[in-house]
Amino acid sequence: DTEVTQTPKHLVMGMTNKKSLKCEQHMGHRAMYWYKQKAKKPPELMFVYSYEKLSINESVPSRFSPECPNSSLLNLHLHALQPEDSALYLCASSQVLRVSDYGYTFGSGTRLTVV
Amino acid sequence: GNSVTQMEGPVTLSEEAFLTINCTYTATGYPSLFWYVQYPGEGLQLLLKATKADDKGSNKGFEATYRKETTSFHLEKGSVQVSDSAVYFCALRGTGNQFYFGTGTSLTVIP
Repeated sequence: DTEVTQTPKHLVMGMTNKKSLKCEQHMGHRAMYWYKQKAKKPPELMFVYSYEKLSINESVPSRFSPECPNSSLLNLHLHALQPEDSALYLCASSQVLRVSDYGYTFGSGTRLTVV
Repeated sequence: GNSVTQMEGPVTLSEEAFLTINCTYTATGYPSLFWYVQYPGEGLQLLLKATKADDKGSNKGFEATYRKETTSFHLEKGSVQVSDSAVYFCALRGTGNQFYFGTGTSLTVIP
């Protein structure tokens, strides 16, 4: 299995809703990432988990709450989002050791629309 | 610090034309360099990579050579196809877990 699977593919939510994005990989990667991508822009790093521990939080608002329950799963819990949070949310994973030799494996993303 | 500067787009080419997308970087230490491709509505896919100076990455007819002397990693393809239409991102990765992406170059190939 060489994929990162993200669900759902599309999500529409109201500003008072609570929802979660899910990411799963079975490649034995111990680093997992959340990125946010707005239209016609590069991905922006949100969070990095290394060995299931949060290692980087790029000053992301608390309405985004990541969770890494085990080495294969990464969740992003959403609450009280704003319309400007509408974007493509990408999950990625990678090796940790000899880290610079390896690229990320990206999922296909969740297209989030906040109404 | 680390950063990537990528050629502005959009780029429009006729089928079978030669493609070059320029990428230069600034980095501390010895980064690895990558090209990612993003097709409409999809995530990013690794296209090719090079992990040290003078390495050439290649895949699907695309090539890029890691040039330390010019701090460049330009993407080339000798004959593009309509199916190559996508957004291309140059990226570098240092010793940490963080990638640094360029702004992306949109390529449209017309028949």
